[in-house]
Amino acid sequence: AQSVTQLDSQVPVFEEAPVELRCNYSSSVSVYLFWYVQYPNQGLQLLLKYLSGSTLVKGINGFEAEFNKSQTSFHLRKPSVHISDTAEYFCAVWDTGRRALTFGSGTRLQVQP
Amino acid sequence: DGGITQSPKYLFRKEGQNVTLSCEQNLNHDAMYWYRQDPGQGLRLIYYSQIVNDFQKGDIAEGYSVSREKKESFPLTVTSAQKNPTAFYLCASSTGHRGETQYFGPGTRLLVL
Repeated sequence: AQSVTQLDSQVPVFEEAPVELRCNYSSSVSVYLFWYVQYPNQGLQLLLKYLSGSTLVKGINGFEAEFNKSQTSFHLRKPSVHISDTAEYFCAVWDTGRRALTFGSGTRLQVQP
Repeated sequence: DGGITQSPKYLFRKEGQNVTLSCEQNLNHDAMYWYRQDPGQGLRLIYYSQIVNDFQKGDIAEGYSVSREKKESFPLTVTSAQKNPTAFYLCASSTGHRGETQYFGPGTRLLVL
C-alpha cells in the first residue's frame, strides 16, 4: 500500500517569513499527491494536487508544491506566511487499490507575529 | 449550495451505548468515506463505499459499522465494542475516479461521558 511521511509535526515560523512543509511518499509507478489544510475544529480543504505534467503545482492562498520523483518528495512552500495560515497541513496520496486517500500524520504550522 | 453536511457537531456517548453519526452529500458523488482523527495521528480510514449498497473496511473498522442505502447518505455507527471512541470524525465524498479530489464535511466530535 502507498504511504506518505510528514517529517515535521510542528513548524513555528514568523509572519512574512518563507516556509516549507516536507512530505515524502512511498515509490510507485504512478502517483497522485495532495495537500490539504485544516483550520481548528473544521473539515479539510484542498490546497493543491499533483496528477501529472508540470512538477511545480500552484494552489490556493499562495501555496505551491514541487513533485520530485528522484527524491520521492512533494514539499509544500509559501514565500511569505500570514497569521491566518496557522493551521494543520496534511499530505495525502491516492491509494489505487482502495481508491481512497491515505494521509500523513500532519504538520502544525504556527505563524507568530 | 452543494456540499457535505455532518451532524451533530458534538456527540456524547455513555458507556455501552451505540451512537450514529450522520453524513449527507448533495454533490452526486458515488464514493463516500469515514475517517477518524486523533492528535498526532493524522486521518485514519474507517470505512469507505464506492457505490450504493456496497462498502469496505478501512484500516480501523473494528467497533464501527456503516450502511449505504442511498447515494447521498453514509451514516457511521460507533458501537459499544469501540473502547476508545473519543475522536474527531470526518466524512468525505468524491467521484471515486483516480486522482479526484475528496471533499470533506465539517466533522463531528465524539466525547465519552
